[in-house]
Order: sequence, then C-alpha cells, then structure tokens
Amino acid sequence: EDQVTQSPEALRLQEGESSSLNCSYTVSGLRGLFWYRQDPGKGPEFLFTLYSAGEEKEKERLKATLTKKESFLHITAPKPEDSATYLCAVQPPGGGATNKLIFGTGTLLAVQP
Amino acid sequence: DGGITQSPKYLFRKEGQNVTLSCEQNLNHDAMYWYRQDPGQGLRLIYYSQIVNDFQKGDIAEGYSVSREKKESFPLTVTSAQKNPTAFYLCASMNGRGKNEQFFGPGTRLTVL
Repeated sequence: EDQVTQSPEALRLQEGESSSLNCSYTVSGLRGLFWYRQDPGKGPEFLFTLYSAGEEKEKERLKATLTKKESFLHITAPKPEDSATYLCAVQPPGGGATNKLIFGTGTLLAVQP
Repeated sequence: DGGITQSPKYLFRKEGQNVTLSCEQNLNHDAMYWYRQDPGQGLRLIYYSQIVNDFQKGDIAEGYSVSREKKESFPLTVTSAQKNPTAFYLCASMNGRGKNEQFFGPGTRLTVL
C-alpha cells in the first residue's frame, strides 16, 4: 500500500535555529512530490513540487530536497512567521488522469522568538 | 485575482439534514477535487472531476454527492447518510496541462449539532 509518513509530528524551534522536516514514502515510480504549508483554520498553500531524485527547490528560508525514498524540507534561520503545519503529498504512478495525491499527516512547526 | 473560493466558512448541520458546500474557481483549471481533513489524519479524497459533467468517487465517497455542471463550480453535498460529517472540507483545483500542482481553497468547517 502506498504510504506517506512525516516526521516529527511536532517540532519546536528557537528563532534562528535551523532544522529539517522529513517525508518518507513507499510509492514506487513517483510522479511528483509536493510540499504545502497550512496555517490553522486555512487551506494548504502550495510551496514546492519535486519530480526526480537529486532535485532541489528553494524559497526564502525553505529548501526542499528529494531522494528515492524521502524528501526533506530544510528551514534555515526560521522566524516566528514560519510557524505552521507543513504537509507532504506524493503522486503515485498509474494514476492516469486522476492525478490523485496521497497526503502525510503533517509536521506542526512552532518557532519561538 | 485568480483563486478558489469556498462558502460558507462555517456551517452547522442538524442530524438528518443535507447540506451543500460551495466551491468556485476562476483559474480556468480543468480538474477539481474535494478533500476531508480530520485531526491527526492526512487529507482524504472524497470526489474529483477532470472535466465538466464527469466526476469520480475518491477514497471516502459514501454519504457525499457532487455535480460539475460548470467548469468553475464543483459543489459538494453532505447527505444524512454520512455518519460522521463533522470535519474541515477542502476544495482544490489543478491545471492538468503539464503542471500537476493542486491549489486549495480556504476550507469550510462543518459541525453537526
């Protein structure tokens, strides 16, 4: 069964303390891996798409990387406004036109000033 | 501004009532999706539509119904047959022409009284 596992479930950082969030998956032949940010009571906001192992994407203090089994979301010198839940989703092969996504349960990040 | 709107933001339902959640997009996207989000669980796919007048069941379609009469609109009806409807409902859309990112609306929180 295709699965997406995110760790840790929750992470508390001090402002400026860099760290990484992990997304591991069991899907073979990944068509795409997506990172989203979700603030409380709001819809997920798209951050990155990664398609192949070795690929990296950056946006401000965030950098996403991809290997054959997992993805990391690196947060460099975080600020309190980076506090949110970060969701990872994968698109398995053979989905045809459905473009179905399988979501992890997210990592709740709290950055303290 | 292009985007996805959902209404209402909060919805309260009595036992035995059907309710309809609205989702509209002006992104000219072909595909639209409905997800349900519960605490501690990943987003789960309810229904999706790749084209007007066509839609398919997702992983948890029982107790829900949809229609896709216009490209811009994909309303979701939560029927009295849905045993545990209290949740956060998210609508998403996707371009589908080479870019597989799904973009989400702000969500509707449904509470059964």
